[in-house]
Amino acid sequence: DVKVTQSSRYLVKRTGEKVFLECVQDMDHENMFWYRQDPGLGLRLIYFSYDVKMKEKGDIPEGYSVSREKKERFSLILESASTNQTSMYLCASSFGETGRGLNEQFFGPGTRLTVL
Amino acid sequence: AQKITQTQPGMFVQEKEAVTLDCTYDTSDPSYGLFWYKQPSSGEMIFLIYQGSYDQQNATEGRYSLNFQKARKSANLVISASQLGDSAMYFCAMRRYNQGGKLIFGQGTELSVKP
Repeated sequence: DVKVTQSSRYLVKRTGEKVFLECVQDMDHENMFWYRQDPGLGLRLIYFSYDVKMKEKGDIPEGYSVSREKKERFSLILESASTNQTSMYLCASSFGETGRGLNEQFFGPGTRLTVL
Repeated sequence: AQKITQTQPGMFVQEKEAVTLDCTYDTSDPSYGLFWYKQPSSGEMIFLIYQGSYDQQNATEGRYSLNFQKARKSANLVISASQLGDSAMYFCAMRRYNQGGKLIFGQGTELSVKP
């Protein structure tokens, strides 16, 4: 059974704090993703990693960084949290591209972050 | 630019009836995949159904079917015999095969099933 876990379901932080969101997957997936979900905007890709120590910016990377030191773990870092980063954060993983085919992304339960 | 559009922010359906959730997409890539995900109030994203751009037949998975009209660039989700447990947010997404498996999501449609 594919499992993607996220370190917290709910998190409350103060403006200016450094925030770490952790994601772990147990399916030996090459790809890992961080999304942000806001009402009316759907899910937007923040960062993407296709291998250990490899990362690529998504559509909204400003104010975020990521770390992937091990294949199973992908961390999202807010260097200095701001109120406009209050949102739901979703981590996902999938196999690397192997040609056309299903290869769906599996999602974690999400972390609802509030920045005061 | 590649884009996914879901024009129905919210929909209601009577239990046991069928419902269609709209999704249109825009891409110039010949090769892409289309997904539908369900997100209940608990927050987890659940994969429902997939359609590849070269698939000749519309995808079906149990009560879910995807009405794929390539020329019109639409990929509507049809849920037959709605159940109360179908009440959730539904997201349409597109994957571009030449871009590392990244997904673009639509804005979502909130479906409410009435008893």
